[in-house]
Amino acid sequence: QLQLQESGPGLVKPSETLSLTCTVSGGSISSNIYYWGWIRQPPGKGLEWIGSIYYSGSTYYNPSLKSRVTISVDTSKNHFSLKLSAVTAADTAVYYCARRTSYGDLDYWGQGTLVTVSS
Amino acid sequence: QSALTQPASVSGSPGQSITISCTGTAGDVGGYNYVSWYQQHPGKAPKLMIYEVTNRPSGVSNRFSGSKSGNTASLTISGLQAEDESDYYCSSYTSSSTVVFGGGTKLTVL
Repeated sequence: QLQLQESGPGLVKPSETLSLTCTVSGGSISSNIYYWGWIRQPPGKGLEWIGSIYYSGSTYYNPSLKSRVTISVDTSKNHFSLKLSAVTAADTAVYYCARRTSYGDLDYWGQGTLVTVSS
Repeated sequence: QSALTQPASVSGSPGQSITISCTGTAGDVGGYNYVSWYQQHPGKAPKLMIYEVTNRPSGVSNRFSGSKSGNTASLTISGLQAEDESDYYCSSYTSSSTVVFGGGTKLTVL
């Protein structure tokens, strides 16, 4: 059974860079069928797609976040990562990682991790 | 990219059917048969309920069904049960090879 697990600091200071890693177990991140993505959800609000990456390194970002986001993949460690720079309180959210099919649906999700931006 | 438009809330009584709409543009919902629906209970990760407009993943009840007409997709839940009370989100693949979500709909089972 495929499992995804987010990890990283739960507290980030304003203007700094948020960094999270999603470790995939029970399957290979190098599959040529799937993409790997990040989604976030501010407290009490809806889902926002951040971006996704293919095992080869091709990336696709939400245009509204593109200038601040970097998603990378490490196939040797079977994990992928998110970096979001210059964070503000508006970036406080539960961050989820998920597996994305070629057609955009997200069929496996991590449990999510809350990241709070505060000094 | 703009979020897809969903009603903020819908409600229904046990046994009834409800439909949640999801309106986009020709660049997302209208242009591709790649609309998905997710169920999210409080404090939990979203769960895929419908993919590619009409398909149900293994294990999802056949009371859940999806459809699309033009730029609007719909999720119908028949035979409402108390356990269906949840938030529901639609999403669509876009012409930019990205994904866009709807704002979410809170379903209340009366």
